[in-house]
Amino acid sequence: QKEVEQNSGPLSVPEGAIASLNCTYSDRGSQSFFWYRQYSGKSPELIMFIYSNGDKEDGRFTAQLNKASQYVSLLIRDSQPSDSATYLCAVNPAPYNTDKLIFGTGTRLQVFP
Amino acid sequence: GAGVSQSPRYKVAKRGQDVALRCDPISGHVSLFWYQQALGQGPEFLTYFQNEAQLDKSGLPSDRFFAERPEGSVSTLKIQRTQQEDSAVYLCASSSRLGGAQGNQPQHFGDGTRLSIL
Repeated sequence: QKEVEQNSGPLSVPEGAIASLNCTYSDRGSQSFFWYRQYSGKSPELIMFIYSNGDKEDGRFTAQLNKASQYVSLLIRDSQPSDSATYLCAVNPAPYNTDKLIFGTGTRLQVFP
Repeated sequence: GAGVSQSPRYKVAKRGQDVALRCDPISGHVSLFWYQQALGQGPEFLTYFQNEAQLDKSGLPSDRFFAERPEGSVSTLKIQRTQQEDSAVYLCASSSRLGGAQGNQPQHFGDGTRLSIL
């Protein structure tokens, strides 16, 4: 079992819809969770981070964390074609003595007009 | 500078040659990370520094890989006797300060170095 799992997609949604991206992780002691967006040929760009259970909203983006279920998600409201990219989930694993991130393989999102 | 700067952007080397990749982090950032990203995969951790101290090198795939950050700012990743499987994008990231009780500081990535071994 991979430490961080994501559906590779592609996830196709129409413009204006809500895109829901999901991620599960195996290390129950994980503390910090990050979502990065990566356009083809470009480097990862930080979108959101979340530390506590519940929801965290920033503009059109909402990160949701459920530590009991070891599940983190990213919602993108009013999806735009410019949101088409690969979304990487990253987790800082326990024990809490390393700052490294473990990444999933990413979910490719396609927003069609 | 405004962001993490990596050089060169592209590097082509023949198998068996040594290569050196440079990373200049965001000014004042304490932590610096190296990741390797193969096509279609997420970044994989290689090593990280807190100031000049290399605190975790568990991701370095072999003893051909070596990283340093002697003055706590610029870092160099060196790969000796390159092999074709070393072909990948090498990403450098930095973060502003140490993680705390609430969680880790976000890491910000440079544009990467695309390494091709012929």
